[in-house]
This record gives sequence, C-alpha cells and structure tokens, in this order.
Amino acid sequence: NFMLTQPHSVSESPGKTVTISCTGSSGSIASNYVQWYQQRPGSAPTTVIYEDNQRPSGVPDRFSGSIDSSSNSASLTISGLKTEDEADYYCQSYDSSNLVFGGGTKLTVL
Amino acid sequence: QVQLQESGPGLVKPSETLSLTCAVSGYSISSGYYWGWIRQPPGKGLEWIGSIYHSGSTYYNPSLKSRVTISVDTSKNQFSLKLSSVTAADTAVYYCARLDREAVKIDYWGQGTLVTVSS
Repeated sequence: NFMLTQPHSVSESPGKTVTISCTGSSGSIASNYVQWYQQRPGSAPTTVIYEDNQRPSGVPDRFSGSIDSSSNSASLTISGLKTEDEADYYCQSYDSSNLVFGGGTKLTVL
Repeated sequence: QVQLQESGPGLVKPSETLSLTCAVSGYSISSGYYWGWIRQPPGKGLEWIGSIYHSGSTYYNPSLKSRVTISVDTSKNQFSLKLSSVTAADTAVYYCARLDREAVKIDYWGQGTLVTVSS
C-alpha cells in the first residue's frame, strides 16, 4: 500500500522559513500530484497547495510547494513565518483513485 | 460558493451502522465532480473513506471497503455514508467534501461532525 510519511512536528520562530517534508513509500511521488492542507484546531482543513506547487487564490505567496524526485518527496515551504501559520499540515496524493494522506505535521511558531 | 453540511446521529452503539448525510448547496451534484467522505479520530490524522460520482460510480478505501456504502441522491442534492459494524475505533469527526473531476484532490470541505461509538 502506498503511504506518505511526514515528520510529527516542526517548530520555528516568527519571520523564519520552515520546510515540511512528505516522503512516498513506493513508486515515484512525481507521478501523481501532491496537495497540502492546513488545519487549525477545531476547523476543517483548507488547501494551501494543490498540484505540487499551485496556490489557491487567497493563499499568500509565503507558501510554496515542490517535488524532489531524488528523495521521492514533496515539500511545503513557508517563509516569513507568522503566528497564524501555527497549525497541522497534511500532504495528500493518490494511488489509483484511492486518496492517501500523510500522518500530519504539527507546526509550532514560537 | 459550494457549501457542504453533514448531518446524522452523534452517538452510535457498537456493532450498529453509522449513517451520515451531506447536503450540498451552491452547486448541483448532477453537474459533475466527485463527492467524498474523510474522517479524523480525535487527536489523529485524516483518513479517506471513499468517493462517489453523480452517476453512482464509487471508490472505497480498501481498509474499510467491506463495511462502507456511499450513495448519492441527485434529487435532494445530497450524498450519504453508511459504515456498518462500528466499534470504538470508528469514533471520529466525519467530513464530507467535494473532490475534483478526477477524484484526486479535495476542493471543498464540510465543517465536520463528531460521531462517537459507545454503548
């Protein structure tokens, strides 16, 4: 079964840059699009990156996504961190129309 | 603007069937796109349950497939989830969502509803 692995937690200071990784268990992560969702406590997730590196309207350009085929991983990078970015972040891809989520990464901005 | 609203019992007894409905507004289910269910146990991550097209074509999470049925009612512009033989492990916030036309990413989420499995 295809799986996505994320670090359990990351932390960084306001104004800094943080990168969250999402590693595919098999195949090539570059073969299928990766999405990133932000989830604040008590709220439904929202999309911050879709199709590897596309930002929905309203998402600031501080959020960016990329794919590294050599490590079979996707990354979400948030620059100029703000306290409001503190949330859980989930990567998501798919395998034959079965959606797969990473385990989630808790971002602490301190 | 597409809006989704889950409804159903917040408490289900073990071994019974969990039933939820998602009412869609701002978009006609018959016009296309896939519609799906995702759940999140308390303090844990997201798990995709399954997706359905307006025609009734479905995809289910292999780990839940034997217990899951997702159906669509285009006349009421809603779709539903049934999960049978529930246990405490099925306690979660259940989200309904609209996926894209290829059923590979989520465009809109409902607010979620907590379902607790307990006697």
